[in-house]
Amino acid sequence: EGQLLESGGGLVQPGGSLRLSCAASGFTFTSYAMNWVRQAPGKGLEWVALSTGSGDRTILADSVKDRFSVSRDNSKNMVYLQMSNLRADDTAIYYCAKCILPSTDAFDIWGQGTTVTVSS
Amino acid sequence: EVVMTQSPATLSVSPGERATLSCRASQTISTNLAWYQQKPGQAPRLLLYDASTRTSGFPARFSGTGSGTDFTLTISSLQSEDFAVYYCQQYNYWPRTFGQGTTVEIK
Repeated sequence: EGQLLESGGGLVQPGGSLRLSCAASGFTFTSYAMNWVRQAPGKGLEWVALSTGSGDRTILADSVKDRFSVSRDNSKNMVYLQMSNLRADDTAIYYCAKCILPSTDAFDIWGQGTTVTVSS
Repeated sequence: EVVMTQSPATLSVSPGERATLSCRASQTISTNLAWYQQKPGQAPRLLLYDASTRTSGFPARFSGTGSGTDFTLTISSLQSEDFAVYYCQQYNYWPRTFGQGTTVEIK
């Protein structure tokens, strides 16, 4: 059974930057695309970003694509979300999530989440 | 983007009763649909994918049907541990999008 563990959340001022990390274990990391999904307080789920297994392709939601980037280090089984020019509406729990199959973007393993609060 | 609309927003059901949750896509998505269960303070858990394939860890009382634009999640006999929020998600188009959720609460 695989496991994901996020870190790097915290309180940041509007316009600031933060890098989230996600450590993966228990599965063949390079075989699966990895995602970031966020959930604003009391709200639903919003997909944010995907990195393919090899890391050669990334896709981001329009709401973040000019400000966030996603990357991975397959030698360390890590995926990252670099966030810049943060806004109040980026405040959320950020989850790292694994795709269940190489060609199926349903998310079968989730981390516990890391909280990002954007506030002055 | 594909808008996923779930109904109802809240479903009040007595233990042992059947619950039927709906999810509608604004464009046809074949069967590229997943359902998740989320309990307070927890991460979501994948319940079904490809519209009807149940994941291990969820019992057979959970089932999913549908293709194209209209999908249904059925819980045949609600147990206490099933009271939660349920989300649908499409993975046919970018960006991947979720419904707004259906809260299944105790009647």
